[in-house]
Amino acid sequence: DIQMTQSPSTLSASVGDRVTITCRASQSISDWLAWYQHKPGKAPKFLIYKASSLETGVPSRFSGSGSGTEFTLSISSLQPDDFATYYCQQYNSYPWTFGQGTKVEIK
Amino acid sequence: EVQLLESGGGLVQPGGSLRLSCAASGFTFRSYAMAWVRQAPGKGLEWVSSVSGSGDITYFADSVKGRFTISRDNSENTLYLQTNSLRAEDTAVYYCAKDRGYRGSGAFDIWGQGTKVTVSS
Repeated sequence: DIQMTQSPSTLSASVGDRVTITCRASQSISDWLAWYQHKPGKAPKFLIYKASSLETGVPSRFSGSGSGTEFTLSISSLQPDDFATYYCQQYNSYPWTFGQGTKVEIK
Repeated sequence: EVQLLESGGGLVQPGGSLRLSCAASGFTFRSYAMAWVRQAPGKGLEWVSSVSGSGDITYFADSVKGRFTISRDNSENTLYLQTNSLRAEDTAVYYCAKDRGYRGSGAFDIWGQGTKVTVSS
């Protein structure tokens, strides 16, 4: 199975900050990587697919990059609605696997 | 509006069974693979199972293989997860998710709110 490792596990930031989350795969997954935002008690929200393609309707302050084994999710200017947990997920091969999550909290 | 609505969760004893359902609306259900993803208390997301648009191709995580069955009724726009021989470690919120592809691309663009399953005596 492909292991996905995110860092950091928790990130404290202020509104307006630029934040970056890193996701590493245990083997190459090309660009078969998705990012999700999840808030407690809510449905996870699909943000990015194929490592860097922004889902329709997702604000342009979100961006993704990377290929192979190292990927990043960036938020250019953190907004109040962005405080949540973020997960990366590989879909290169079954079983699909998620990172352990990065909680973005208010500083 | 595209929507997924799960039901069927509850409290069940170890070794018991539950059938989870997911009612889909707002998109051509038969054209997309579907999946179940769960989140145990205090843990991250874990993919459980996927089924192709026609229902003839299924995949399972090793942790549930042989105990869970995924199926779909395209005439009723409904996805199912039959969970048998439940264990304490199956306790989680179970999410239904729409795949972006027909056979199962693995990227999930629409999610339900989840249904909670608690396995305890």
